[in-house]
Amino acid sequence: KAGVTQTPRYLIKTRGQQVTLSCSPISGHRSVSWYQQTPGQGLQFLFEYFSETQRNKGNFPGRFSGRQFSNSRSEMNVSTLELGDSALYLCASSLPSGANVLTFGAGSRLTVL
Amino acid sequence: GQNIDQPTEMTATEGAIVQINCTYQTSGFNGLFWYQQHAGEAPTFLSYNVLDGLEEKGRFSSFLSRSKGYSYLLLKELQMKDSASYLCAVLPITGANNLFFGTGTRLTVIP
Repeated sequence: KAGVTQTPRYLIKTRGQQVTLSCSPISGHRSVSWYQQTPGQGLQFLFEYFSETQRNKGNFPGRFSGRQFSNSRSEMNVSTLELGDSALYLCASSLPSGANVLTFGAGSRLTVL
Repeated sequence: GQNIDQPTEMTATEGAIVQINCTYQTSGFNGLFWYQQHAGEAPTFLSYNVLDGLEEKGRFSSFLSRSKGYSYLLLKELQMKDSASYLCAVLPITGANNLFFGTGTRLTVIP
């Protein structure tokens, strides 16, 4: 079956702009999580969505937001981009409950100039 | 809060055995995961431990001691393709899928 699909794979923005990233989970997976990966900090949890509701949120500023649609696809948005937002943004899907295995997408690499 | 420590880099020889350690401090604990990430690729699941002891899966094994806040990943019969980053992650007891990751250990396998 198809894996987790993230678009776009690469993008370049300038400071102050906003960006929207998309994630299509594995069919049947209703939980979608987003992570930011940088060389210095590793993977950091942004938020998790299940049934169109944000279930958990990491320690990121309000400029980072997300949503989930009825078909479980998810988007995340970053507004007023800063240089420090340059990172690989990874989406992961899983079954909704318990300690389930996350299946990650290949990520969207954002560069902010 | 949570904190995870793992070595930044390790080098090992093809065919050998390597142990990657992970120590963690967490206010809640619902299991520990190991993921493998090749350069430029997505992390992929290797193992999950929630009870103390050793879990073996082929060439890879993972150990957990909850009382010591300690885990290790053991890779046997190393192959060149095992060169990758190995990520230790804790699942806080309050969360469902909000894993807390360490910064990862970059393993280089040399001939």
